[in-house]
Amino acid sequence: DAKTTQPPSMDCAEGRAANLPCNHSTISGNEYVYWYRQIHSQGPQYIIHGLKNNETNEMASLIITEDRKSSTLILPHATLRDTAVYYCIVRVLLDSNYQLIWGAGTKLIIKP
Amino acid sequence: GAVVSQHPSWVICKSGTSVKIECRSLDFQATTMFWYRQFPKQSLMLMATSNEGSKATYEQGVEKDKFLINHASLTLSTLTVTSAHPEDSSFYICSATGTGDEKLFFGSGTQLSVL
Repeated sequence: DAKTTQPPSMDCAEGRAANLPCNHSTISGNEYVYWYRQIHSQGPQYIIHGLKNNETNEMASLIITEDRKSSTLILPHATLRDTAVYYCIVRVLLDSNYQLIWGAGTKLIIKP
Repeated sequence: GAVVSQHPSWVICKSGTSVKIECRSLDFQATTMFWYRQFPKQSLMLMATSNEGSKATYEQGVEKDKFLINHASLTLSTLTVTSAHPEDSSFYICSATGTGDEKLFFGSGTQLSVL
């Protein structure tokens, strides 16, 4: 079962910041939050991940609430090429292997 | 960044034939590889997890005799769909991670169409 819930779809104007929310209220203390995106008929692309501190890289920023029950992915200046399905994922340890538990994702549409 | 190469990108085959999909890590040693399948407009579904040199661990409901996984080296894993049928048509994706690596890298996927 997915450990995350996301809105099924969102729109954002080109050039604006896209803020994608994610709830993970049952996350455990040592489980990371990962964000990937998938453009149609391609493999998922890694965006960012974090445990409890906010993170930033060249693609995005990840804001994690203090209680770790939710997080927000921020694309600071969305472009048309950012249109994709964005997955918020919790990494869990199962049978000595780390696994990503995938939810349904958010379809983000960037509009000109 | 790390690269995972998956081949072929798409394949069309006749019902009853077998299809092999390769997944290679190009610049790192992939101690663990994962195989997923994805139906249209759905999320990724984990099929199996394989650690180099050991048998793959299959998820519930995935037939291990139908979806043969081999992870014989630290850079190569293969998925063979045996005696493929039209219901096996799907998008298959591999991913890989190295020891101590927090990131999981994905291949570009293989679209399988069984006629």
